[in-house]
Formats: sequence, C-alpha cells, structure tokens
Amino acid sequence: QKEVEQDPGPLSVPEGAIVSLNCTYSNSAFQYFMWYRQYSRKGPELLMYTYSSGNKEDGRFTAQVDKSSKYISLFIRDSQPSDSATYLCAMSGGGSYIPTFGRGTSLIVHP
Amino acid sequence: KAGVTQTPRYLIKTRGQQVTLSCSPISGHRSVSWYQQTPGQGLQFLFEYFSETQRNKGNFPGRFSGRQFSNSRSEMNVSTLELGDSALYLCASSLEDSSNQPQHFGDGTRLSIL
Repeated sequence: QKEVEQDPGPLSVPEGAIVSLNCTYSNSAFQYFMWYRQYSRKGPELLMYTYSSGNKEDGRFTAQVDKSSKYISLFIRDSQPSDSATYLCAMSGGGSYIPTFGRGTSLIVHP
Repeated sequence: KAGVTQTPRYLIKTRGQQVTLSCSPISGHRSVSWYQQTPGQGLQFLFEYFSETQRNKGNFPGRFSGRQFSNSRSEMNVSTLELGDSALYLCASSLEDSSNQPQHFGDGTRLSIL
C-alpha cells in the first residue's frame, strides 16, 4: 500500500459543477496537508495549506481534513475550464521531514 | 516577490553526458528540495539542502548530486545520463523546515535524453 493514494482520473465535469478531489493516507502522524495545482508544462502551484483536522476555505476552494479516517478532500465550487489541471495532494509532519505527494488527479472542466 | 526560478527550462542531452540544473529559491527561503517528475512515477524526492548542507536524501543513485550556495541558490548535477533520466526536474523552496512549512515550486527543467 502506498503511503498516499490518489485516483489519477481523469475526472471530467461540466462547467459550474462542484468538484470533489480526494486522497487517503496511511501515516497517522501526518499533521500538515497541502493541495497543489499543476498545469501542463508548469510546476505545482500551492493552493491550500492546512494543519490538523478541519476545514479551510479560500474563494471557490475548500480543503477538508479528516484525520480519524485518514482522508483529505479538496472541493471546487462553480468549476471553470481554467480549473482544468492536475491536482496533487501532499502531507508532512510527525517525523516525515519531506512532504509525501500523491500521484495527482487530472481534472477536465468542459464548457 | 519573485517565485522559484529554474534554468534552463528545456535541455536535450545524449546518453553518457552530464548536466547541471540551476535553482534560485524565493528570497528568504533557506531550504531547497529537488524532485524528479515522470508520468509513470509521479513526484520523486531527490534531496534537500539547507544552509549549504544536504539535510535529506531520496533513493536515487550517486549519479545524482547537488549543492547549495551561501545565497541559498542550488544546483543539481546528473552524470552519465541514461535514457530513463528523461523527466521534469522540479525545485521547491521553503522558509526553513519543509515538514511544517509549505514548499513552493518552480516551473522545472524538462530534460530529454536522446
């Protein structure tokens, strides 16, 4: 079992839909959770950074962490074609000095 | 504030050659990490430097090496290039401790081996 599991997709949704992207993990010591967005031919761009459990909202994006289930989510409201990208989750802390990344989920938002 | 800058953006080499990639972190960031990204393996950690010292190392052969300068700029070197080294090489910086501070990435150097 990989330390971080993320469905590679692709996930295809119509414009305006609510998108849910998820990761599961096995290391219960992780404390810091991140979501990155990566466009083709670009580096990952930090979207959300959260500590421990709970929700964090930033514009159309909401990050949710459920440490009891070892499950994190990124919700995108009112999705736009410009949201089409690969979304990577990452987590660190608790003795894991370097972040561990998921493989990424490819999201396609079609007009 | 300028982001992480990587040069060159694209590079084509042949097997057996060596290559040096450069990374300038965000101003004030002292930790620099390098990753290899391929479609099959995703993001794989190469090494991390802090205050000119390698602080962490991933599971890559000794052909992959790096260094960090006093201004926090970093270089990585790959010797005796192999076809399998074709990948996007990403540099990421964080303030000090990437276990509790987020990393910020550059746009990478795309290395193609012929």
